[in-house]
Amino acid sequence: EVQLLDSGGGLVQPGGSLRLSCEASGFTFSSYGMSWVRQAPGKGLEWVSIISGSGGTTYYADSVKGRFTISRDHSKNALYLQMNSLRAEDTAVYYCAKTDRGDPTGGFDYWGQGTLVTVSS
Amino acid sequence: QPVLTQSPSASASLGASVKLTCTLSSGHRSYAIAWHQQQPEKGPRFLMKLNSDGSHRRGDGIPDRFSGSSSGAERYLTISSLLSEDEADYYCQTWGTGIQVFGGGTKLTVL
Repeated sequence: EVQLLDSGGGLVQPGGSLRLSCEASGFTFSSYGMSWVRQAPGKGLEWVSIISGSGGTTYYADSVKGRFTISRDHSKNALYLQMNSLRAEDTAVYYCAKTDRGDPTGGFDYWGQGTLVTVSS
Repeated sequence: QPVLTQSPSASASLGASVKLTCTLSSGHRSYAIAWHQQQPEKGPRFLMKLNSDGSHRRGDGIPDRFSGSSSGAERYLTISSLLSEDEADYYCQTWGTGIQVFGGGTKLTVL
């Protein structure tokens, strides 16, 4: 059974940093692209970043480019999102999602339960 | 890059059927999409991947009350025999090189 467990959220001041984690199980982690998606309070889903199965290719939404970094550790079956220079508008529930292919495209076929990030002074 | 358009809301009666629409922008009519359901206070759940020819693959445990179809730039999600638990937000998603796109979502109310 595929499981994705998001963690690392919390309250952080504007300009601060936070690192999110997603522990994956139930599938061959290195064979699939992984992504982060966020949802601000009362809003729709917004794609944040994606990484290929190998980890060699990454893409970012314009809203986070240069501030966020996606990475993965195959020895731990874990996906990460390093978030720096956080702004109030980054406040959202962050979900990790698994794609259905190894390159950084394709639809998402599994989701984590989400972790809440609140950026406020 | 592709844009996905969804109606903000829809409603249907308990036990009835409803058809939700996701429209692909011009130049992207051949794109496949995915449908996701988000029940109140829960995370999204993958429902199905839907190709331009109407073929689709449901996610694990998704009942066949959920079906998909396509016509031109339109991608449809039909839910039959509506249950109260089907009241949720429904999002379509598509993708390209270096980008993932979501529609704005449709809030389905089951009357």
